Amino acid sequence: DIQMTQSPSSLSASMGDRVTITCRASQGISSSLAWYQQKPGKAPKLLLYAASRLQSGVPSRFTGSGSGTDYTLTISSLQPEDFATYYCQQYYSFPLTFGGGTKVEIK
Amino acid sequence: EVQLVLSGAEAKKPGESLRISCKGSGYSFTNSWINWVRQMPGKGLEWMGRIDPRDSYTNYSPAFQGHVTISADTSISTAYLQWRSLRASDTAMYYCARQGNNYESFYDHWGQGTLVTVSS
Repeated sequence: DIQMTQSPSSLSASMGDRVTITCRASQGISSSLAWYQQKPGKAPKLLLYAASRLQSGVPSRFTGSGSGTDYTLTISSLQPEDFATYYCQQYYSFPLTFGGGTKVEIK
Repeated sequence: EVQLVLSGAEAKKPGESLRISCKGSGYSFTNSWINWVRQMPGKGLEWMGRIDPRDSYTNYSPAFQGHVTISADTSISTAYLQWRSLRASDTAMYYCARQGNNYESFYDHWGQGTLVTVSS
């Protein structure tokens, strides 16, 4: 199985801050990576896929980058609605696996 | 509008059986794989398996293979997740999710989640 390691597991940030979350795969996944946002009591929401492609309707302040084993999600200017938990997911090989999540909290 | 609507919360005892459902609407149900994802209380997301509704072909995570069964009924655009014998450790929120396309297993639409509680 491909292990997905997210860091940090949590962070505190202020509105307007630039936030970066990292996801490292235990082997190369050829950009077969998605990012999701989950708010308490809600289903996850797709933000990006193919490492850097923005899902329709998602604000452009969310960007993704990376290749091989290392990927990042960046929020350019944190907004109130962005406080949530973020998960990466590899879909390069089965079983599909998620990172452990990064909780973004208000400082 | 694409929607995935799950059946309601369930409270069961260990050893009991259970089937939860996920009804798709707003798109052609047979055109997209449906995946099931578990989230235990306070924990992260775990992929359980998926089904291609066109032919009921399934893939399972080894962690869930043999413990759950995924099926679909295209006549009512519904996918199912079934247990023959529940354990306390099955207590979790369960989501169904639609694949964005048939070649890449990321999920563009999710159901609202069904809470399953297993307790004696």
